[in-house]
Amino acid sequence: DTGVSQDPRHKITKRGQNVTFRCDPISEHNRLYWYRQTLGQGPEFLTYFQNEAQLEKSRLLSDRFSAERPKGSFSTLEIQRTEQGDSAMYLCASSPQGFAGELFFGEGSRLTVL
Amino acid sequence: DAKTTQPTSMDCAEGRAANLPCNHSTISGNEYVYWYRQIHSQGPQYIIHGLKNNETNEMASLIITEDRKSSTLILPHATLRDTAVYYCIVRVNQAGTALIFGKGTTLSVSS
Repeated sequence: DTGVSQDPRHKITKRGQNVTFRCDPISEHNRLYWYRQTLGQGPEFLTYFQNEAQLEKSRLLSDRFSAERPKGSFSTLEIQRTEQGDSAMYLCASSPQGFAGELFFGEGSRLTVL
Repeated sequence: DAKTTQPTSMDCAEGRAANLPCNHSTISGNEYVYWYRQIHSQGPQYIIHGLKNNETNEMASLIITEDRKSSTLILPHATLRDTAVYYCIVRVNQAGTALIFGKGTTLSVSS
């Protein structure tokens, strides 16, 4: 499968613990996006990378959230000191150079904070 | 980005055309209309986009009014697998600009 891959697909954690999600974009896609989606809502934009540079961050990305894309390939999204309000689906998407409109989404990582 | 308005939900009989409307009365001249859909428990999937001309691909047709203030996504022969949330998004066609999703329209296709 050459689509966007996310790991883990499901994560259950206790409040206060740290969690990390990984996203492997489609090969050679230089743009990578993170979104968060809660039940009944559309995906909310969190942050965007072009290669290894983080070019845009939403105000939703509090200081407990950090995202990296160290070599311009895979990306990680870490949430520190998780809260129950962090429970959501975390979606990753990638897009290739030159085409701005079509984002390819992974199937997401579902986080449940107890 | 311009704000869009979509009905919360719609029903469609299998085999019939599904016409999903979207209002974007404040759209700017350089903003495109994009449609995505999200099947339950999956990530969103790109369907189609357009600027001012009508567009068609293997999945759907996009009809944009002449004043560009509204559009309609048409699924010509809806199937049960088309049951999903459909999002209409307007934004400039600029690399790196994030897509901003609203709540979309939940389309239920029944037999």
